[in-house]
Amino acid sequence: GAVVSQHPSRVICKSGTSVKIECRSLDFQATTMFWYRQFPKQSLMLMATSNEGSKATYEQGVEKDKFLINHASLTLSTLTVTSAHPEDSSFYICSASHRQGAYEQYFGPGTRLTVT
Amino acid sequence: QKEVEQNSGPLSVPEGAIASLNCTYSDRGSQSFFWYRQYSGKSPELIMFIYSNGDKEDGRFTAQLNKASQYVSLLIRDSQPSDSATYLCAVNSPLLGDEKLTFGTGTRLTIIP
Repeated sequence: GAVVSQHPSRVICKSGTSVKIECRSLDFQATTMFWYRQFPKQSLMLMATSNEGSKATYEQGVEKDKFLINHASLTLSTLTVTSAHPEDSSFYICSASHRQGAYEQYFGPGTRLTVT
Repeated sequence: QKEVEQNSGPLSVPEGAIASLNCTYSDRGSQSFFWYRQYSGKSPELIMFIYSNGDKEDGRFTAQLNKASQYVSLLIRDSQPSDSATYLCAVNSPLLGDEKLTFGTGTRLTIIP
């Protein structure tokens, strides 16, 4: 159990375009989803926390107008990178929590974004 | 501010031996403790979590928690080459309203055949 999927796994886009990444919890209802970014050889960086039906909470330094997050249902959250630039190229990973027990997070497989 | 510290390694362990990974945390209010494994180029995978003092065993893995010393460890018995990865320690305090995970920077483990 506790399977989280992400789509697409890889995307290459041109500078100035927008990219949408989907995160789905496949076998549980995720009341909370998290979006992370990881640059090569660096640790995970939390970008934002989203709860179903409410606005996302962004971490300090993360532009909410650039990284749009929608948590439309208990199984789906999307991250849209708007007006992407080469410096946005990174590994984007979502995680989901069902808010029970230790509130452990289960990670999706990640999306590797390359902006040319 | 919460901090989670891990030795970055690399930690080299012969195949078949016990690998011991350590983690300390600064916030005494931390309630839940997690070990994730991350292979190069992949996302983190939850190995196990612990929230009570003592040991918790799952197969070849044992997590140990000592809240008084603010210390959590992961033991991997009968280490295999497939255990070579970066191991991330993380903590949260959901009952205090903080569900976010605070991660350490990870320990890179290499199992030598």
